[in-house]
Amino acid sequence: ETGVTQTPRHLVMGMTNKKSLKCEQHLGHNAMYWYKQSAKKPLELMFVYSLEERVENNSVPSRFSPECPNSSHLFLHLHTLQPEDSALYLCASSQVVVNQPQHFGDGTRLSIL
Amino acid sequence: AQSVTQLDSQVPVFEEAPVELRCNYSSSVSVYLFWYVQYPNQGLQLLLKYLSGSTLVKGINGFEAEFNKSQTSFHLRKPSVHISDTAEYFCAVSGTGGFKTIFGAGTRLFVKA
Repeated sequence: ETGVTQTPRHLVMGMTNKKSLKCEQHLGHNAMYWYKQSAKKPLELMFVYSLEERVENNSVPSRFSPECPNSSHLFLHLHTLQPEDSALYLCASSQVVVNQPQHFGDGTRLSIL
Repeated sequence: AQSVTQLDSQVPVFEEAPVELRCNYSSSVSVYLFWYVQYPNQGLQLLLKYLSGSTLVKGINGFEAEFNKSQTSFHLRKPSVHISDTAEYFCAVSGTGGFKTIFGAGTRLFVKA
């Protein structure tokens, strides 16, 4: 059982499509994260929201657009993606305290045709 | 700056044998250390964490890790593995520089019958 829910679990889209990934946490956390996990590569932190403000944007291309309307929900809006964007996208949440672990969702497997 | 190095990308081991997955970190500030496990088609799940106190930390599923400050290591061990332990294991560090967590590249543990 996970306190972080991601939808959809799988997504196939063309390079010209627009879609959104959704993440919802039920843990009362106040920080949320998007990660990209590609085969044979380390986990890449994309965005961090703390108390609903974006505090980190790790040089992510503008074709990825995050949105955090409240502390429980996080979206990743996608448009005109490239084949190299195919990956597992993981959402996580935590308390805004340095020694607290992150709780992860099961991810969205994204395939770009 | 903080960094994490997982010294083995893959570790094959026979069932019921002991295993050690190695992790070294670098940091100029006090650190908090974590091990996560990722089963196929799932997100990362916390195995154990070191925040302070005893350097031997016990986690779920019979795993334990030892914090060694002089060697800047946090190796994960299990005395007897099961087939179900086959997964990817990630070492991670956070510190007083912020609540962002740095993840290692992962070690794939493959348990053979």
